[in-house]
Amino acid sequence: SQTIHQWPATLVQPVGSPLSLECTVEGTSNPNLYWYRQAAGRGLQLLFYSVGIGQISSEVPQNLSASRPQDRQFILSSKKLLLSDSGFYLCACKQVFYGYTFGSGTRLTVV
Amino acid sequence: KNEVEQSPQNLTAQEGEFITINCSYSVGISALHWLQQHPGGGIVSLFMLSSGKKKHGRLIATINIQEKHSSLHITASHPRDSAVYICAVRGIQGAQKLVFGQGTRLTINP
Repeated sequence: SQTIHQWPATLVQPVGSPLSLECTVEGTSNPNLYWYRQAAGRGLQLLFYSVGIGQISSEVPQNLSASRPQDRQFILSSKKLLLSDSGFYLCACKQVFYGYTFGSGTRLTVV
Repeated sequence: KNEVEQSPQNLTAQEGEFITINCSYSVGISALHWLQQHPGGGIVSLFMLSSGKKKHGRLIATINIQEKHSSLHITASHPRDSAVYICAVRGIQGAQKLVFGQGTRLTINP
């Protein structure tokens, strides 16, 4: 079965600092990978998805970027964080014969 | 109007009560998911449905494709069921992205 490792669980960063959140997947190959964000009091919103190495699609214009350097690694980054980047970030994985598997999430607070 | 609407947004009940959470959607889907999010934020997948009904323990999920509606039921509710329950639909095309409802915050009092 698929397992997602996502870290860190919580993060407090100052405005203007860089960000790197990493998500790695085990137990599967060539999965679709997703980054979602949940702002306070709102539902989860898709930020990026990837159907393969180096293939990134962005759903909403924003201050963030994503990369997929390896088949099972998905990274969410920012060069300079904004206050509005605060939220709960969730990595998810889907492979053809499986449903979705979710990471444990990262709660980011930008101060 | 959101593509996925859940009701109610908040629900408080007493232990033992039968709970129903509703989800309506407006787009074509390949599947519908019910998810559970605990206070720490971690999300657990409860059900994936494309038709009919599924049951797991005290949880039952149903879907009516024609009416574009799904319900999640909890029988003999317990305080440990307190969580946010999220409905998400999977699109038909492309990368089959999930579109999430805003969630229903369930609180079960002892």
